[in-house]
This record gives sequence, structure tokens and C-alpha cells, in this order.
Amino acid sequence: ETGVTQSPTHLIKTRGQQVTLRCSSQSGHNTVSWYQQALGQGPQFIFQYYREEENGRGNFPPRFSGLQFPNYSSELNVNALELDDSALYLCASSLSGVNTQYFGPGTRLTVL
Amino acid sequence: GQQLNQSPQSMFIQEGEDVSMNCTSSSIFNTWLWYKQDPGEGPVLLIALYKAGELTSNGRLTAQFGITRKDSFLNISASIPSDVGIYFCAGQHNTGKLIFGQGTTLQVKP
Repeated sequence: ETGVTQSPTHLIKTRGQQVTLRCSSQSGHNTVSWYQQALGQGPQFIFQYYREEENGRGNFPPRFSGLQFPNYSSELNVNALELDDSALYLCASSLSGVNTQYFGPGTRLTVL
Repeated sequence: GQQLNQSPQSMFIQEGEDVSMNCTSSSIFNTWLWYKQDPGEGPVLLIALYKAGELTSNGRLTAQFGITRKDSFLNISASIPSDVGIYFCAGQHNTGKLIFGQGTTLQVKP
């Protein structure tokens, strides 16, 4: 059984640029949730995708958007990057929206 | 963003000692989870609790879902050096959204 994978591992961007992060869910899981973890903090919920539809959103602006594909993999897109967007971005998959979430290793984004 | 109140913030203990950490919330949750995170890695699930009052063990780890559904604790018995890391509690709403605590950093002295 393959766990949750994320790519890339690290990324450096400059202010104003756009970024796309990718996540492959654990085998058999149809729900993907994205979290932002700033240094020294707990993860903060960005949004969740279930069967290719957004299924709940946290307190993040519209420049944070996502997609889920028919194979349940997912993308997180962030437009107009700001310095405060520097963080570890975590993807978690689950069997459904309310089941236990299993996390990937994360993508470390640095915005200069 | 919303976070749970997790304490203590950090602990420095001797190998072999027992450890206890807890989490409280002003909101009711349907599920409480405990994760461990190593530097540069994603959180790894340790224990999931689904019912108020539930007490669950995973090896040397024991966690309980509070009766009020607003709190949970995690105990680690006979700590070893590989227990070092950051431990997070998380409450899960029926929407699936996870709310995390600020984390407890555990250091174990051999």
C-alpha cells in the first residue's frame, strides 16, 4: 500500500509569483485535505476535496485554490505569493471526508 | 486561525520517565487524534479516538477522549530517545476539518 506522496519537496519562489504543489493520496482514499504549517505552529486547514469538489474551506484568501483529479490526486495553487506564504504545506488523505487523515511529508515553500 | 490549547509547550525528561500532555478546547469534537512530527516531515498518526470516554493504547502510548468531548490527553510510558519530536493533538469536526494544538516538543536525555 502506497502512502501519501507530495512534490516537490522544496521550492523557492519570489513575491508575486504563482506556485503549484502536488499530492497523491493513499491507495483507496478519495478525500484530500490541504494544510499550511508555519514554523513553530500547528497545521492550519486550507481546504478539503472530495470526489473532485471542494468540500470545506478554512480562513484562506481566494488566491489559494485547488483541484482534485479523477484518480483522487490533488493540486494546491497559490497566486500572487506573499512573504507570509512561506511554510510547510501538508496534504492529508482519508477514506472519506470524516475519516482519519494520513499526512504526506510536505512541501517546504520559501517566498523571497 | 483557530487552535486548541495544548500543554505543556515543551518537556525535557530523562530516559525511562513517563510523559503526559493534554489538549483542551472550547468546542466539542467528534474525534480526537494525536500525531507526532519529526523535523522536516509530515505528522504521523499515533492514536485516534472516536467516542467520549474512550481510552486507547498503542504500545507505550495511551490516550483518552474526555467525557465532555472538549479535551484529550496522551501519556507515554518509559520514554526512550526515539520518542523525541513534536506531538500534536487535533480535534476533528463532522465536516472533516482538523483543528490542531500548538504542539508539545519532547526532548529525552539518555
